[in-house]
Amino acid sequence: VTLRESGPALVKPTQTLTLTCTFSGFSLSTTGVCVSWIRQPPGKALEWLALIDWDEDKYYSSSLKTRLTISKDTSSNQVVLTMTNMDPVDTATYFCAQIGDIAVTSYGMGVWGRGTTVTVSS
Amino acid sequence: SYKLTQPLSVSVALGQTARITCGGDNIGSTSVHWYQQKPGQAPVLVIYKSTNRPSGIPERFSGSNSENTATLTISRAQADDEADFYCQVWDSFSAEVLFGGGTKLTVL
Repeated sequence: VTLRESGPALVKPTQTLTLTCTFSGFSLSTTGVCVSWIRQPPGKALEWLALIDWDEDKYYSSSLKTRLTISKDTSSNQVVLTMTNMDPVDTATYFCAQIGDIAVTSYGMGVWGRGTTVTVSS
Repeated sequence: SYKLTQPLSVSVALGQTARITCGGDNIGSTSVHWYQQKPGQAPVLVIYKSTNRPSGIPERFSGSNSENTATLTISRAQADDEADFYCQVWDSFSAEVLFGGGTKLTVL
């Protein structure tokens, strides 16, 4: 199982950020499997953003839900996260992670991508 | 909203036992996951469902969870164990993933 994040390294304030998580070694149509997005500002803690499951149910951080949209393309093995109205405080490393069968893992994230760094600046 | 509380830092002497706590209201009734993150790297799952070790994680790492505190225990601490550690739960009430604020482990 591998995951790789991709997207712009630099965005301007007020722009919309689009990140793609491309994965291999599993199918997001397998019952119980999920993909999640997490971010980490420089020197700060992990912050969960969103999750999409095998059945295309979507879950969002309550503090950011108005700005986030998560979607999946099962045939392309990709999960896309968009975040609107970007601000310098959104500068962070953005990770995607696989959650294996939730009946077994209970939403533990077993495999992570290496992350992609996004800077918000004019 | 539900919150997870971790100490900012924990120190342990080389070869001794480190314990990192994660506090939450009645956390003992839910599954807790623990991640180790070294500088410049992605987090690695070291304990899932409170007490289970993924394959490849040394037996020196163990977890427990009771009442209002979950604990990650690292026995025979090594220099390579120095990292930030995060606890995580799924809050079924709000349907959100929650992370603790992280604990920096220093091996002296």
